[in-house]
Amino acid sequence: DAKTTQPPSMDCAEGRAANLPCNHSTISGNEYVYWYRQIHSQGPQYIIHGLKNNETNEMASLIITEDRKSSTLILPHATLRDTAVYYCIVSHRMEYGNKLVFGAGTILRVKS
Amino acid sequence: NAGVMQNPRHLVRRRGQEARLRCSPMKGHSHVYWYRQLPEEGLKFMVYLQKENIIDESGMPKERFSAEFPKEGPSILRIQQVVRGDSAAYFCASSPPEGSQPQHFGDGTRLSIL
Repeated sequence: DAKTTQPPSMDCAEGRAANLPCNHSTISGNEYVYWYRQIHSQGPQYIIHGLKNNETNEMASLIITEDRKSSTLILPHATLRDTAVYYCIVSHRMEYGNKLVFGAGTILRVKS
Repeated sequence: NAGVMQNPRHLVRRRGQEARLRCSPMKGHSHVYWYRQLPEEGLKFMVYLQKENIIDESGMPKERFSAEFPKEGPSILRIQQVVRGDSAAYFCASSPPEGSQPQHFGDGTRLSIL
């Protein structure tokens, strides 16, 4: 699986958009980009995933560059409850499922 | 639709005892994954199972750890003769058969070894 690089931490003002970058320059054609977050010691929460097109759901938007070597997770209106560790994961589509390799992630602190 | 259910939430064992952690996947999910998170560290993949089959156990320690996902009932992660270093949070995730669909995680079992 391709390696990802994320900034160790970021701050965001409450109500503003949080833009979390991720570099995955060695991504291959059949690898997906997944984003998860972990609040305190809870189980990781799935946010969004994509292959090459931009994606949006009720939680966030995922912008993937045309060359697929980087992506940005956007939380449009960050709240204090969005404070968490955010993980960008690249995983190939195995025949029967995907093993996720978690890095250190980005600690996002939303401040009032 | 119930999420991934793990029990117990907290488990305390003495050194040398056995620990059994249970995971019931989401409805319609036939793939189960176990991950371990040591204190102040990231999550590490342990094992990936389908019903009655271990697909990938590349992250499992060679000794004392085993996992199963029987035809009926939850998936079980079993740790024999526990040691202090086994203290961690153990998370289970499940996914549907389609390979690109995301895994959804339970809230974990916190294992403490006295």
